[in-house]
Amino acid sequence: SAVISQKPSRDICQRGTSLTIQCQVDSQVTMMFWYRQQPGQSLTLIATANQGSEATYESGFVIDKFPISRPNLTFSTLTVSNMSPEDSSIYLCSAGFQETQYFGPGTRLLVL
Amino acid sequence: DAKTTQPTSMDCAEGRAANLPCNHSTISGNEYVYWYRQIHSQGPQYIIHGLKNNETNEMASLIITEDRKSSTLILPHATLRDTAVYYCIVRVALSNSGYALNFGKGTSLLVTP
Repeated sequence: SAVISQKPSRDICQRGTSLTIQCQVDSQVTMMFWYRQQPGQSLTLIATANQGSEATYESGFVIDKFPISRPNLTFSTLTVSNMSPEDSSIYLCSAGFQETQYFGPGTRLLVL
Repeated sequence: DAKTTQPTSMDCAEGRAANLPCNHSTISGNEYVYWYRQIHSQGPQYIIHGLKNNETNEMASLIITEDRKSSTLILPHATLRDTAVYYCIVRVALSNSGYALNFGKGTSLLVTP
């Protein structure tokens, strides 16, 4: 299996600011994914981030709002830009490893 | 993408087997059935997956019907720590970057003393 860590684990941010979430995997992986889980809801895929290529975004998510970096095979970042209270969610990163996805613990974001 | 149908909630007594059903009648021949669970305020945890044969690991067993239109996740001896939302997911292929998971609403399992 792959062990995934995220930083920060939680944050409270002001409207209009940006937050960058870091995701670290203990193994080299080709595919990493970013999900959002709004309060009381299931997970929604934001984008897929493969090392060496541009991230691929799902419908309803755009690069200007959620820029993603993937500088190497063990690390990725997701930035939530120009935040509004509607961005208050749990943000989760995951990695594809041996036909399975493993998830990090999540970043709990509250935007005031 | 194949969709899944799960009961909204289930109860199970501690120490008994928990049998969680999932319907995936439109599954394609090359799609796998994955099970994850999410304990409150934690990231989803992988449990088990299978294509057509029954599978067992240290956490659970997965029983897939012969026509592959439904499956059952079995937790043989449920404990209070198994209280979680359980997601049955049929894996879909993205167009240019491999595989992703579409999470539905899942089954909220409550294990009671």
